[in-house]
Amino acid sequence: NAGVTQTPKFQVLKTGQSMTLQCAQDMNHEYMSWYRQDPGMGLRLIHYSVGAGITDQGEVPNGYNVSRSTTEDFPLRLLSAAPSQTSVYFCATRGNTEAFFGQGTRLTVV
Amino acid sequence: GESVGLHLPTLSVQEGDNSIINCAYSNSASDYFIWYKQESGKGPQFIIDIRSNMDKRQGQRVTVLLNKTVKHLSLQIAATQPGDSAVYFCAENKGTSYDKVIFGPGTSLSVIP
Repeated sequence: NAGVTQTPKFQVLKTGQSMTLQCAQDMNHEYMSWYRQDPGMGLRLIHYSVGAGITDQGEVPNGYNVSRSTTEDFPLRLLSAAPSQTSVYFCATRGNTEAFFGQGTRLTVV
Repeated sequence: GESVGLHLPTLSVQEGDNSIINCAYSNSASDYFIWYKQESGKGPQFIIDIRSNMDKRQGQRVTVLLNKTVKHLSLQIAATQPGDSAVYFCAENKGTSYDKVIFGPGTSLSVIP
């Protein structure tokens, strides 16, 4: 039982490049979400999904796309990376109450 | 607007003492609150939660108090240990049918051996 698995753990992108951050969970949770965390700050919600085929925007969705084709996977796409997207990204799932977070992906855009 | 904020950005306590971390929220419609612990280089970890129909909830060495009158939330850690050193976040959620969880900026707790 791996819980929430994020890949990659580290990534450096050039401005304008695209990439997908992967998130997979094996807890059969319906709710999944993506957050970004900037230095000295709390987590800000980017996008979330309440089940396969359903996604919605969070607090800071601009520049990011998501899809939810299966219960297990919730990838986050950056279509054209910008330096402002340099951050640590966390994926989370939630059962009835408690949320479980992945270990994070540290992304640097140069 | 909605916001969740903390009174103290940093807190240092002696090992064995009790710690109290405070949080203020502004949205009176929020009905569910969660405390998370984040250690360096790791994702947040659930500590304890409380619903708005309660004013106190206890876990193992932790107690969460909710004062809806002044929109204040606190986390009390008894007999603080070096392993408690981390950043603590309070988060706000408008119930399980509304899944936007809003985090506060965090408080860094340092335990002095």
